[in-house]
Amino acid sequence: QQQVKQSPQSLIVQKGGISIINCAYENTAFDYFPWYQQFPGKGPALLIAIRPDVSEKKEGRFTISFNKSAKQFSLHIMDSQPGDSATYFCAATFSGAQKLVFGQGTRLTINP
Amino acid sequence: DGGITQSPKYLFRKEGQNVTLSCEQNLNHDAMYWYRQDPGQGLRLIYYSQIVNDFQKGDIAEGYSVSREKKESFPLTVTSAQKNPTAFYLCASSITGVTGELFFGEGSRLTVL
Repeated sequence: QQQVKQSPQSLIVQKGGISIINCAYENTAFDYFPWYQQFPGKGPALLIAIRPDVSEKKEGRFTISFNKSAKQFSLHIMDSQPGDSATYFCAATFSGAQKLVFGQGTRLTINP
Repeated sequence: DGGITQSPKYLFRKEGQNVTLSCEQNLNHDAMYWYRQDPGQGLRLIYYSQIVNDFQKGDIAEGYSVSREKKESFPLTVTSAQKNPTAFYLCASSITGVTGELFFGEGSRLTVL
């Protein structure tokens, strides 16, 4: 129940295309769903996050779509650029929790 | 600049040796965390601390130990009891009560020879 399942494990997208990474969770107590971006040799950094009271959140080219009934959420990267090549982690937690539960990560490669 | 500093960035160790990874933060955050990253397994929590002189085991604490004597510092010792210690180790911090927003260091890569 504490798991967050992320797919795909790796993804290759052409420059200008849409990158889509999916995550699913079981624990309905989760109420905060962040995405982290990690460049090679660096630590992850918070990219964007959503709470389940909204179905979508957009920041620039990055959008989170949230489906509460399906217990799924996804990250969409529009007009993908080579600089977006990184590993992306979805995560989940709930208010009062002391830790995040991370997905397995997706290595995204944007071909020029 | 505020942030988290991990050292060393790369570390080699012989089997049977203990090694300590340093983590220092100047963000004035109360909470600190240690994660282990392996390909295809995401980030797994080793230990976390919400306050000085207190810490809790995470999901994979066996073979590791920590201390939290100062707010700014949260060192991780990888002991010889850890069966598969070669990994990328990440330290993070957060404001208490804002668990979803972690600030990570740049990591330490440990290789056991």
